[in-house]
Amino acid sequence: DVKVTQSSRYLVKRTGEKVFLECVQDMDHENMFWYRQDPGLGLRLIYFSYDVKMKEKGDIPEGYSVSREKKERFSLILESASTNQTSMYLCASSSRGGRGVDTEAFFGQGTRLTVV
Amino acid sequence: SQELEQSPQSLIVQEGKNLTINCTSSKTLYGLYWYKQKYGEGLIFLMMLQKGGEEKSHEKITAKLDEKKQQSSLHITASQPSHAGIYLCGADKGSWGKLQFGAGTQVVVTP
Repeated sequence: DVKVTQSSRYLVKRTGEKVFLECVQDMDHENMFWYRQDPGLGLRLIYFSYDVKMKEKGDIPEGYSVSREKKERFSLILESASTNQTSMYLCASSSRGGRGVDTEAFFGQGTRLTVV
Repeated sequence: SQELEQSPQSLIVQEGKNLTINCTSSKTLYGLYWYKQKYGEGLIFLMMLQKGGEEKSHEKITAKLDEKKQQSSLHITASQPSHAGIYLCGADKGSWGKLQFGAGTQVVVTP
């Protein structure tokens, strides 16, 4: 069964802390994504990685960085957590596609981060 | 950038009734994905549409992509409590498979 696993379901951190959110996929997918989801705003893309060590900024990268040292793992880093980063964070992975290859994204269960 | 607009934002439907959700893009869609999310959980893939005029069905859910590939609709027939949740459309921005999503439609099914 296809799996994207996020390290935590719930996290509470203090303002100014450095926060790591980890995501692992077991499908050998090239693409991995980090989104945040807020009421009324839907899913907004923070960062996207299309290969190991490769990354692209999404729509709202400010205050975040990412790391992809291995194909199966994509980490989201909040350099100095702030209260406006309180949100639901969703990781996803997908195949880049090709003949006969499905490209839909598979999502983790989400991490609800609260910054106090 | 490509914007995806979903309508309605939310809807309440009586069990057994039909419902339709729309997703409109300002640009041609190269791939359109429909997902469902239960509150506080991850997204579950429903269907993907790529070709103009394409229509796909799974159980009581049907999704269509118009000929111009700028609008998609998701139709649920004879809704059940299990259909409650948030429905999101996502589109391939054409760059290495980068997915952008609409704001979502919250569906509530009443007895």
